[in-house]
Amino acid sequence: DGGITQSPKYLFRKEGQNVTLSCEQNLNHDAMYWYRQDPGQGLRLIYYSQIVNDFQKGDIAEGYSVSREKKESFPLTVTSAQKNPTAFYLCASSTPGLAGGDTQYFGPGTRLTVL
Amino acid sequence: AQSVTQLDSQVPVFEEAPVELRCNYSSSVSVYLFWYVQYPNQGLQLLLKYLSGSTLVKGINGFEAEFNKSQTSFHLRKPSVHISDTAEYFCAVSERGSYIPTFGRGTSLIVHP
Repeated sequence: DGGITQSPKYLFRKEGQNVTLSCEQNLNHDAMYWYRQDPGQGLRLIYYSQIVNDFQKGDIAEGYSVSREKKESFPLTVTSAQKNPTAFYLCASSTPGLAGGDTQYFGPGTRLTVL
Repeated sequence: AQSVTQLDSQVPVFEEAPVELRCNYSSSVSVYLFWYVQYPNQGLQLLLKYLSGSTLVKGINGFEAEFNKSQTSFHLRKPSVHISDTAEYFCAVSERGSYIPTFGRGTSLIVHP
């Protein structure tokens, strides 16, 4: 079955530690995205990538970093510079058309708790 | 810049009753509109989307939405809800020429027996 996998589902880290969240897709999608979800705030875009070896900052990129070395993989690192990293993180992918209007396909999410 | 407002943060309803979840957007250009559903501790999945053509869009699980350009709205409706419809619902908009959507803050639909 094609889809997006995120691991782990739950992650606990101590304050001051960097942590990397995994996102893999086998949908052959070109674009991948990372969102942060907090209660009552909807989804906020952290980073996105349209193509391998290229990515752009979203609305809340500070304290996060990404890489896109392979089409199917888009890992997110939450660094110690992120002031409030406890949240639910969602990865998504899509195949952008020329005009947009593309469905985003989401992974199951990773819940990160920083102690 | 585009923005999305979901007017209700929570909508409680009894099973088999009709429901409407409201969504308004603002944009200076033509848009695409989406509704996604999120069940507890899961990712989002697409319910339906409006790209062009008929303003009444039918989606999965018996949901439908109507695009109203003059009122800049895209309200989601279902004539009879089930307990299993209890979830968070997100409205999203993307401007034509951009594939980055903006999401609303979500509406929690709570269906009571």
